[in-house]
This record gives sequence, structure tokens and C-alpha cells, in this order.
Amino acid sequence: SQQGEEDPQALSIQEGENATMNCSYKTSINNLQWYRQNSGRGLVHLILIRSNEREKHSGRLRVTLDTSKKSSSLLITASRAADTASYFCATDVNRDDKIIFGKGTRLHILP
Amino acid sequence: IAGITQAPTSQILAAGRRMTLRCTQDMRHNAMYWYRQDLGLGLRLIHYSNTAGTTGKGEVPDGYSVSRANTDDFPLTLASAVPSQTSVYFCASSPGQASGYTFGSGTRLTVV
Repeated sequence: SQQGEEDPQALSIQEGENATMNCSYKTSINNLQWYRQNSGRGLVHLILIRSNEREKHSGRLRVTLDTSKKSSSLLITASRAADTASYFCATDVNRDDKIIFGKGTRLHILP
Repeated sequence: IAGITQAPTSQILAAGRRMTLRCTQDMRHNAMYWYRQDLGLGLRLIHYSNTAGTTGKGEVPDGYSVSRANTDDFPLTLASAVPSQTSVYFCASSPGQASGYTFGSGTRLTVV
């Protein structure tokens, strides 16, 4: 069964706008990761946030984590056409090395 | 080689045939993983290996086997392919706990 679940399933926004995707999970975690997948390609690691962190930044990406609500969000600011992709959250399972992925959010940036 | 190499890129396989998907990494990562990706189901973990010589079962291990004879290679074998194993298969690796994964480009497998 899926540990993480992204919301929304699909999102279309105009280029230049901000995109926000959410992830909810079920059990306690050590860390949560976000990945991007361009069509037909492998996944690319974006950012990892540990359970004792509340916010993390990487370039135009901002990730927040609320362990009390068992949720995380990924914000992409000033979106570009190249941001069109699927975005997945992944959480560790039973606090070991394995991670379980959600089903992803498909983000489409409109020109 | 840079990162993870998967082979073949795509394959059409007759049901009942045996098939091995190859995965090789050059980063000396301890842990390696096999996932399958199906439309609407996301990525599901098939098997994993935390270090050379050890393997473990993921969410959907039935019909698949793996081996980890050395650090670099982690082949996935379908002993007798069935149509429900039609999927895109991704190999990944990581240095260890709390580290991001590096993914290969995938193998698109069609079982007919």
C-alpha cells in the first residue's frame, strides 16, 4: 500500500506562477523526499527533509514538513516550461533505507 | 558509465519466457533497488539490497528474483513472464540511509 499520497493529482498553471503540491503520509518517518520525473525518463532527486526539520530550500524549490499533520508541501516559485513533469513524494518505511513513493502530481506549465 | 545503466531500454517478451533486466552503477553505492511503474499506481518496490550479498523483498516481489553478487550489479530476473508484468522497470541506488536515490533511465517491458 502507498505510504505517501500527493494532492492534487494534476495541476496546470501559467508560466511564472507558483506551483504547490502536497503530500500526506500515514506513519512516522525519519525523512521525506521529493522527486521529479520528466516524461519517459527516470526520477531525479530534488530535496530531502528530515523529520526534525520544518522547511528547506533549494533554488526555486521550497519544501515544508509538518510531522504533527503527517504532511509535506513542495512549492516551485516562478514556474518555467521546463518544470512540466510529474512530482513524487517518498517516505522511508519502518525507518529503514527503503522508501515508498506516492502516485505523483502531474504538473503542466502553460506558456 | 556515469550513474546507473539499465539494459535493455525496451523489450517485447513472449509469456512464459525468462528475462533478466540488467542494472549497473559506478558510484559504489551500498544500497540498490528495483521498482516498477504502472499508470495510476505510481512506483512500487519489487526487491532491494542494502549491501552486496544481501537482498530483501519489497511490496510486489512475486514473480521476480534478484541477486547482489557485488556492489555494482543488481540484476532482476523474471523466471516465467506473465502479461501483468508489462511495466516500466527502474533501478535505483543510494549511499545509505537518509540519502537521495539515483535512478536509471528505465526498461520498458511488454509481455505478450
